[in-house]
Amino acid sequence: NAGVTQTPKFQVLKTGQSMTLQCAQDMNHNSMYWYRQDPGMGLRLIYYSASEGTTDKGEVPNGYNVSRLNKREFSLRLESAAPSQTSVYFCASSETLGGLGEKLFFGSGTQLSVL
Amino acid sequence: GENVEQHPSTLSVQEGDSAVIKCTYSDSASNYFPWYKQELGKGPQLIIDIRSNVGEKKDQRIAVTLNKTAKHFSLHITETQPEDSAVYFCAGHNFNKFYFGSGTKLNVKP
Repeated sequence: NAGVTQTPKFQVLKTGQSMTLQCAQDMNHNSMYWYRQDPGMGLRLIYYSASEGTTDKGEVPNGYNVSRLNKREFSLRLESAAPSQTSVYFCASSETLGGLGEKLFFGSGTQLSVL
Repeated sequence: GENVEQHPSTLSVQEGDSAVIKCTYSDSASNYFPWYKQELGKGPQLIIDIRSNVGEKKDQRIAVTLNKTAKHFSLHITETQPEDSAVYFCAGHNFNKFYFGSGTKLNVKP
């Protein structure tokens, strides 16, 4: 039972390079999310997709773009990576958006370093 | 938006002792408070949650309490075991979004 799968697990970029983080879920969830995790700051929402075909900004969207490719897949793109984007990135999914008691299911994360 | 603060940032206990992690929130509209456990190299996983109309919830060695008046909620782990060692995150939920605390690294010493 895979759940939420993220690739790659590790990535090193040079400043200015671009890359796409991939995420797929097999739980038939409608909503998907991208978070970043920085020391002492917990998890901060970058972008989310309430349902297939929709995306919205979270708390820290600057420097990122997303694509909800289909119901299963939600990708995060860094067009021109900056050292401030060094972080651990988590993709998550939930059955719906905003329901009371909604549970998030997380992938295992992507550790990104921008030099 | 909501602001969730979590304390302590690190907590070290002896195996068998209890551990308590506390969170406060700012927005009285928050109505759901989950706790997530993150083991090394893995994503966070939900361990227990509480809704705003409930004061306490228990699941085996884990319990969560909520004080809506004071806007704080706590995670209690009794009879701690080495496998409880992890980072724990609290969160508040309102207006379709989750707001996470900064995390508590719990170390249970054998």
